[in-house]
Amino acid sequence: SQQGEEDPQALSIQEGENATMNCSYKTSINNLQWYRQNSGRGLVHLILIRSNEREKHSGRLRVTLDTSKKSSSLLITASRAADTASYFCATPGSYIPTFGRGTSLIVHP
Amino acid sequence: GAGVSQSPRYKVAKRGQDVALRCDPISGHVSLFWYQQALGQGPEFLTYFQNEAQLDKSGLPSDRFFAERPEGSVSTLKIQRTQQEDSAVYLCASSPGTTGELFFGEGSRLTVL
Repeated sequence: SQQGEEDPQALSIQEGENATMNCSYKTSINNLQWYRQNSGRGLVHLILIRSNEREKHSGRLRVTLDTSKKSSSLLITASRAADTASYFCATPGSYIPTFGRGTSLIVHP
Repeated sequence: GAGVSQSPRYKVAKRGQDVALRCDPISGHVSLFWYQQALGQGPEFLTYFQNEAQLDKSGLPSDRFFAERPEGSVSTLKIQRTQQEDSAVYLCASSPGTTGELFFGEGSRLTVL
């Protein structure tokens, strides 16, 4: 199975700033998904981008996908303290989504 | 409820005890996954069901781990003779199809003393 790896491992910013985190994966994919996990909670799906898409927006989220580089980025614009969480990318290879270690984002009010 | 429900939310077991963790997926969801998440790590795949069929159990760490989904709905993850290294959060997720969005439960936090 494949595994996405997120970087940076930790990111600390001020409210209002943008946050960018990256994901790299190893083999070809049908789609790539981003999830958020608040401390002590389950993961929540944020956005799915298909392999034939290059960019996708959802509210303050912008996801890009570069299949030639096997990488994706998640941009959160105008961050809020409530965005503090861990963010994971998931790459469903043979129907089993696998996750990296995540990026821990702290947004200071 | 409308979401994935897991129980118990917290379980403390003495080393050597057996535990059973339950997952109620969203009604009608075909796919069901179990993941194990250690502190500060990402979810690690354990096993996958498509309806009642267990299609992949390659992530189960030992033969002490067993999962079932007999009627294609509720699933149970059983851990026999628990060890300290089994301490983790066990996450269940369901999906309407086979390659799309996963819906996660809140997890069951297992602490083995």
